[in-house]
Amino acid sequence: SQQGEEDPQALSIQEGENATMNCSYKTSINNLQWYRQNSGRGLVHLILIRSNEREKHSGRLRVTLDTSKKSSSLLITASRAADTASYFCATVRATNAGKSTFGDGTTLTVKP
Amino acid sequence: DAGVIQSPRHEVTEMGQEVTLRCKPISGHNSLFWYRQTMMRGLELLIYFNNNVPIDDSGMPEDRFSAKMPNASFSTLKIQPSEPRDSAVYFCASSTTGGTNEKLFFGSGTQLSVL
Repeated sequence: SQQGEEDPQALSIQEGENATMNCSYKTSINNLQWYRQNSGRGLVHLILIRSNEREKHSGRLRVTLDTSKKSSSLLITASRAADTASYFCATVRATNAGKSTFGDGTTLTVKP
Repeated sequence: DAGVIQSPRHEVTEMGQEVTLRCKPISGHNSLFWYRQTMMRGLELLIYFNNNVPIDDSGMPEDRFSAKMPNASFSTLKIQPSEPRDSAVYFCASSTTGGTNEKLFFGSGTQLSVL
């Protein structure tokens, strides 16, 4: 099975609200990354958090990492209709550093 | 930079035919990855190369699939013979590090339909 699992599978919110997505994984990791995929397009890297970091910010994005619980969350603040996309977490294992394993993704819909 | 370039964008073929997908990574990137995306299985890593050498091909589904990287600027993924269950979006991605994977840059993908 996939290393990462996102929760929820789908999320629908109003513009201006915050969106929170969660990712759980199974093995020790070097880092965890979040990607975004618009319909019919390739994935775009959003943010990376290393295993020794607990929180990271980038613009309206906030990522947390709890290695004891093997989980991460992605918060998008003040969402916009343009944030509508699928969001994936990807883990790079400590034992196989060249390989990113993706979760199943969360589909976010932001209603104008 | 033009980004990762994949061709063709769409491919429709009949069962049993050979399919070749192509990828040009970003110049200077030394790692290249082939992923397959389906609704049922999500994003699966098929194979990745570091400095043109295949490092891990454990995700290649079966012998019908093969991948090559003859030089730093070109890679192919070949399916022979193709089957309907191979229908998926195939993505190529590249990165600069290769050791500890930092950030993948994805192409726009090839939508493959095998009839």
